[in-house]
Amino acid sequence: AQSVTQLDSHVSVSEGTPVLLRCNYSSSYSPSLFWYVQHPNKGLQLLLKYTSAATLVKGINGFEAEFKKSETSFHLTKPSAHMSDAAEYFCVVSGGAGNTGKLIFGQGTTLQVKP
Amino acid sequence: KAGVTQTPRYLIKTRGQQVTLSCSPISGHRSVSWYQQTPGQGLQFLFEYFSETQRNKGNFPGRFSGRQFSNSRSEMNVSTLELGDSALYLCASSLSLSSTDTQYFGPGTRLTVL
Repeated sequence: AQSVTQLDSHVSVSEGTPVLLRCNYSSSYSPSLFWYVQHPNKGLQLLLKYTSAATLVKGINGFEAEFKKSETSFHLTKPSAHMSDAAEYFCVVSGGAGNTGKLIFGQGTTLQVKP
Repeated sequence: KAGVTQTPRYLIKTRGQQVTLSCSPISGHRSVSWYQQTPGQGLQFLFEYFSETQRNKGNFPGRFSGRQFSNSRSEMNVSTLELGDSALYLCASSLSLSSTDTQYFGPGTRLTVL
């Protein structure tokens, strides 16, 4: 069965400093992994996705993530935080064979950006 | 291209009532999935439809049902509402059933059960 664990429920950074949101996954096959962001009272927006191509994935708004099979990790990073990055971030794995349309979400990480 | 639209955006119901939520996918998308988001349980998969057929179902009681029409629009229905059904219900659409397809989410319907 597929699952994801987001290691931090809350991360606080200062504007202009790097962001690291950590995610570990468990999958019985080669997974598709995603990071979504949710701003208050808004729907989910895709930041980036990994689908077994390049292990370093670049997304929107300067975010990127690296797929590390040996560590079963898919951490999200950004070199310099902006105030507009404050939101809830979800690491997501697809459900796998027979469940390909099912997304399995982590519990989310709230990113706070201080001025 | 217009995004995923959901109606209504907000609903207030009382226990025991039933409710129908609607989702219009992105033009050309044939797969529609539904998710429930609550503070306690997070985001949980409800069901997925493709070509008017339910392809997958999450671990929810039978009070939760859905359907998909020939134009790919989808509805979900919750009967005999309970207080615990209060949640944000999100709909997502994608081109196909492939696990590599991106699912695009709508803004959600906020359901409050009193």
